Amino acid sequence: EPEVTQTPSHQVTQMGQEVILRCVPISNHLYFYWYRQILGQKVEFLVSFYNNEISEKSEIFDDQFSVERPDGSNFTLKIRSTKLEDSAMYFCASSLGGYTEAFFGQGTRLTVV
Amino acid sequence: AQTVTQSQPEMSVQEAETVTLSCTYDTSESDYYLFWYKQPPSRQMILVIRQEAYKQQNATENRFSVNFQKAAKSFSLKISDSQLGDAAMYFCAYRRQDRDDKIIFGKGTRLHILP
Repeated sequence: EPEVTQTPSHQVTQMGQEVILRCVPISNHLYFYWYRQILGQKVEFLVSFYNNEISEKSEIFDDQFSVERPDGSNFTLKIRSTKLEDSAMYFCASSLGGYTEAFFGQGTRLTVV
Repeated sequence: AQTVTQSQPEMSVQEAETVTLSCTYDTSESDYYLFWYKQPPSRQMILVIRQEAYKQQNATENRFSVNFQKAAKSFSLKISDSQLGDAAMYFCAYRRQDRDDKIIFGKGTRLHILP
């Protein structure tokens, strides 16, 4: 069964460093998303991406965040200068369209120290 | 703005018994989707069941079923014959029926299964 794959599963980084979280969406999907879940809290929307551009972003997704689909298969989330409060589980998701459910990857646990 | 509310932070149920998790939502849309996602300790998000708002019939997926009350904006999940593997965080979620709209999640209900 096709699945969304995220790497790495866990990343530890120093405050102020740049991190790139990687995702391989399901191959025929067209819509891509990043969500964040701070430990013990709810899952929050960060950004949606379609046709090589951002469709929507939340207020969390400020200038230190960026997304890219560099090669037609990977979908990346870059955090330019990490802060302690960026520590969270980051989920990538993809869907075929608005009339179908989104499938989530297994998440990347980001720890900023 | 759409919101999803889960008023039960934690619940417990005896193995083999039935449990119902509550969810209410607020929207001015008429066409939308509702979901229940399960998040086990591995923290992966697993879709349990989905309901299209235009369908009157409640969705069922093996031991999982929903009670969808559109007028009341209520969407509860019933788990029958609870199993130890059902222990997880359960998130109710909403998505507007649009091309690429985001999913909005509730805060979750942690379900404990008692052996």
